[in-house]
Amino acid sequence: GAVVSQHPSRVICKSGTSVKIECRSLDFQATTMFWYRQFPKQSLMLMATSNEGSKATYEQGVEKDKFLINHASLTLSTLTVTSAHPEDSSFYICSARDGNYNEQFFGPGTRLTVL
Amino acid sequence: AQSVTQPDIHITVSEGASLELRCNYSYGATPYLFWYVQSPGQGLQLLLKYFSGDTLVQGIKGFEAEFKRSQSSFNLRKPSVHWSDAAEYFCAVGAGAAGNKLTFGGGTRVLVKP
Repeated sequence: GAVVSQHPSRVICKSGTSVKIECRSLDFQATTMFWYRQFPKQSLMLMATSNEGSKATYEQGVEKDKFLINHASLTLSTLTVTSAHPEDSSFYICSARDGNYNEQFFGPGTRLTVL
Repeated sequence: AQSVTQPDIHITVSEGASLELRCNYSYGATPYLFWYVQSPGQGLQLLLKYFSGDTLVQGIKGFEAEFKRSQSSFNLRKPSVHWSDAAEYFCAVGAGAAGNKLTFGGGTRVLVKP
């Protein structure tokens, strides 16, 4: 099956700094990528839908200036958590849609800890 | 808006025994339904999906699920679990184009006893 990678897998940062998370589709082109947030022992919550070459669509309640999403190519989307605070600590997961199979493939996730 | 409920937070099952995970959904139209499994350190893996047609869907790893419109359910089953089936399982309903906008249930953690 198609492979989606995320980098880094874990990141620890100080409060007030910005963190960038990369999501790559390794063996297919993804016109659409999705970003999710997962709190401990909870479900995934869709944060935003990222379309290559256009602005991301954010879900209600997600601050677009806080969570910057860029989908510059068909294989790469980035999520930047700006001015991170401890409440932003979470597990961030991306997925990429393979149009050939009409299916989303998920990355392994990035654990963000803000001190 | 769509929603998904997985009533069981934890399920413990003996190896070799059967497993059934419950999923109820709320959606105004014909739903796209999915079951995913999440293992530590790995991304969510699609077990099976229902878009239309036969309401009994076969998936990978010996799993199957049955779509029951009258009960708004999409329960996942496996006749005989293996220790490697211990993981977190998520049911999801998809909206939008080809059901790509996913709403997940709260998940069910499956523990397998030897």
